[in-house]
Amino acid sequence: EVQLLESGGGLVQPGGSLRLSCAASGFTFSNYAMNWVRQTPGKGLEWVSTISESGSRTYYPDSVKGRFTISRDNSRNTLFLQMNSLRAEDTAVYYCAKHVTGQHCFDYWGQGTLVTVSS
Amino acid sequence: EIVLTQSPGTLSLSPGERATLSCRASQSDSNSYLTWYQQKPGQAPRLLIYGVSSRATGIPDRFSGSGSGTDFTLTISRLEPEDFAVYHCQLYGSFGQGTKVEMK
Repeated sequence: EVQLLESGGGLVQPGGSLRLSCAASGFTFSNYAMNWVRQTPGKGLEWVSTISESGSRTYYPDSVKGRFTISRDNSRNTLFLQMNSLRAEDTAVYYCAKHVTGQHCFDYWGQGTLVTVSS
Repeated sequence: EIVLTQSPGTLSLSPGERATLSCRASQSDSNSYLTWYQQKPGQAPRLLIYGVSSRATGIPDRFSGSGSGTDFTLTISRLEPEDFAVYHCQLYGSFGQGTKVEMK
């Protein structure tokens, strides 16, 4: 059974940093690209980042480029998201999601971790 | 950036009725990557339809997807009680704002 378990969310002040982790199990982690997607009540779902199977290629939307860094450790079946220079508008539930090979969509999602950016 | 517009915002229907949800893209997609997710309160999204019309594993055949270019449709042929939820469309890195299917 595929499982994705996020951790690392919490309350952080504007300008601060946070590192999210996602522990994966139930599939061969190194064979799949992985993603972070966030959700706010007002803006709905927003794609945050994608990393290739080996970790050699990463992708970001303009809203987080230069502030967020996605990485992975295939030996530990773990996905990371380093978030720096956090802003109030980064407040959201952050999900890690497994990529569907050959498609631009996600077939398994974690339960999400809440990040709140506030003073 | 592709903008996806879903309509209607809310659909009020009864069990057994047919639901038709629309997703319109600001740019045409010739690669057929349009995806639909279902999301219930307090849960992560669940993959329903990918590649415009392919059902994900375990998705019942009352769910179907269609469309091309900029106009796409998710159809639920006969609503079951468990189908009342929010439905999101996705194309590449863009998501629609969601359509809530609520019980009348």
